[in-house]
Amino acid sequence: ETVLTQSPGTLSLSPGERATLSCRASQTVSSYLAWYQQKPGQAPRLLIYAASSRATGIPDRFSGSGSGTDFTLTVSRLEPEDFAVYYCQQYGYSPWTFGQGTKVEVK
Amino acid sequence: QVQLQESGPGPVKPSETLSLTCNVSGDSISSYYWSWIRQPPGRGLEWIGYLYNSGSTNYNPSLKSRVTISVDTSKNQFSLRLSSVTAADTAVYYCARQNRGGIFDYWGQGTLVTVSS
Repeated sequence: ETVLTQSPGTLSLSPGERATLSCRASQTVSSYLAWYQQKPGQAPRLLIYAASSRATGIPDRFSGSGSGTDFTLTVSRLEPEDFAVYYCQQYGYSPWTFGQGTKVEVK
Repeated sequence: QVQLQESGPGPVKPSETLSLTCNVSGDSISSYYWSWIRQPPGRGLEWIGYLYNSGSTNYNPSLKSRVTISVDTSKNQFSLRLSSVTAADTAVYYCARQNRGGIFDYWGQGTLVTVSS
């Protein structure tokens, strides 16, 4: 199966700062990569699909980039509601797999 | 507005079968792919399998021998059965709509299933 490795495990930042999250795949997944945000006690929420397309209703401070094996999720200016855990997910090869998550916490 | 809601009988004993149902509203279950995903407490997400075309399925090989996903189109709902459960199957189980080849754009709220004697 395709293993996704996210880094860093935890990102400590202040509101207004830029967040850069990384996801690396063990084999190329082309652009079949999505990003999700999860807050405590809630289901994940789709942010980005096809590596760089924002899902419906997602603010433009969220952006995704990359292809092949290396992907990045960027939050240009963190809002208070953006502090959460972020997961990448590949759908290039079955079984679909998720990264282990990056927690973005308040510094 | 698409909404999904998981339901199930509650705690499960080891070696028994876990059964959950996902009720879908705001969309026809015949129109998309539908998945089950789980998340052990404090851990990451694991895709279990999906159902499409009102009955065809694809399962994660790590669970394939124990999983069955089925559909009831008359009720617009689909179900998960996971047999021979152990404590390692304790998790929040989510149902989700699968779109654009493999992304999950609508999720249920999730239901915690505890496996314990």
